[in-house]
Amino acid sequence: NAGVMQNPRHLVRRRGQEARLRCSPVKGHSHVYWYRQLPEEGLKFMVYLQKENIIDESGMPKERFSAEFPKEGPSILRIQQVVRGDSAAYFCASSPVPRVDQPQHFGDGTRLSIL
Amino acid sequence: AQSVTQLDSQVPVFEEAPVELRCNYSSSVSVYLFWYVQYPNQGLQLLLKYLSGSTLVKGINGFEAEFNKSQTSFHLRKPSVHISDTAEYFCAVSDRDNYGQNFVFGPGTRLSVLP
Repeated sequence: NAGVMQNPRHLVRRRGQEARLRCSPVKGHSHVYWYRQLPEEGLKFMVYLQKENIIDESGMPKERFSAEFPKEGPSILRIQQVVRGDSAAYFCASSPVPRVDQPQHFGDGTRLSIL
Repeated sequence: AQSVTQLDSQVPVFEEAPVELRCNYSSSVSVYLFWYVQYPNQGLQLLLKYLSGSTLVKGINGFEAEFNKSQTSFHLRKPSVHISDTAEYFCAVSDRDNYGQNFVFGPGTRLSVLP
């Protein structure tokens, strides 16, 4: 049973480039959540998606960040024109239903470094 | 809005000693409470959760936590730690009305178990 798979594990970008982070949820899970972890801080919720729908994006920065979860394929978190402050670990989690008694399963994260 | 405080950013403890990691939360509504562990370069794993019922919750790896509503606390304890417990521990809260779609995490406590 594969867990949540995130790739790449490490991503280096220069300022102004685009970063694409991929997340394949646990098989059968149709709910995906993205979190950002800045150094020495806890995880901060960014966005919650179901297949082809954004349900809650209250934690997403208004500009440069977007997320999708297409009918086929992984969920993608896209950061355009990256800046130094985007350097962080980005975690994806999935769950079979959006209920707290069905805990989210977390991936190992993508560590994004901006030069 | 909810918030989570973990007063101790780092806790060093000798192997086989007991440990308590403190967590306090603030919320205007009833909440669900969680403890997650993060090993280096990995995602979060659920240790235990409080949804309802008994205020003493037992989790994996010998950890337990007690929900204290009057003190708005959910401290994590283990009577005898092992070297392998060295990790970052995060307390999290979820609004009961939110169906777990949006966790609020504390800043984390780094537990270092010394030989």
